[in-house]
Amino acid sequence: AQSVTQPDIHITVSEGASLELRCNYSYGATPYLFWYVQSPGQGLQLLLKYFSGDTLVQGIKGFEAEFKRSQSSFNLRKPSVHWSDAAEYFCAVVGISNFGNEKLTFGTGTRLTIIP
Amino acid sequence: DGGITQSPKYLFRKEGQNVTLSCEQNLNHDAMYWYRQDPGQGLRLIYYSQIVNDFQKGDIAEGYSVSREKKESFPLTVTSAQKNPTAFYLCASTSTGYEQYFGPGTRLTVT
Repeated sequence: AQSVTQPDIHITVSEGASLELRCNYSYGATPYLFWYVQSPGQGLQLLLKYFSGDTLVQGIKGFEAEFKRSQSSFNLRKPSVHWSDAAEYFCAVVGISNFGNEKLTFGTGTRLTIIP
Repeated sequence: DGGITQSPKYLFRKEGQNVTLSCEQNLNHDAMYWYRQDPGQGLRLIYYSQIVNDFQKGDIAEGYSVSREKKESFPLTVTSAQKNPTAFYLCASTSTGYEQYFGPGTRLTVT
């Protein structure tokens, strides 16, 4: 079964600084990968997704992520964070097998704090 | 505007009472999902339905029940058998099975 690890529970970044949130997945077949963002007390919003093709994917709000098969990683990056980026970020994977789609598995999330 | 609505946003119940959380979507999606979110644990799948009148248990279905009588609606009942019902509940839907769209959530507090 697939799994997702987000090793950083909480990250603090200064406004204007760059950001990288780590995500490692475990799945034998080709993974479909996602990053979602959640503001406090709200639902999840999709930031970006990787299905196939170019391993560097662009998303909304200036975010990007790079799929590295050799490292089983799908790290999220932003060159310059804004105070409004403070939220919780979830990495997720859908493992595709020969028997059909599997469920979406989420990491435990990384809480991002932005300091002035 | 297409989307997913969940009501109410906040729900309070006494222990021993069943409670039903509403989830409605007008995205014409076939599949719908219920997740439970607890601090530090991410999202855990409770139930999902890929088509009307059919649903499957997720990872933590015990103490919960669902129905799917209409494509647009997927209500979740938290029964008195659920040992720790206080949590944030999220409903989602998808047309592809991959990219899921989420509602705003319902925070349930049971005392």
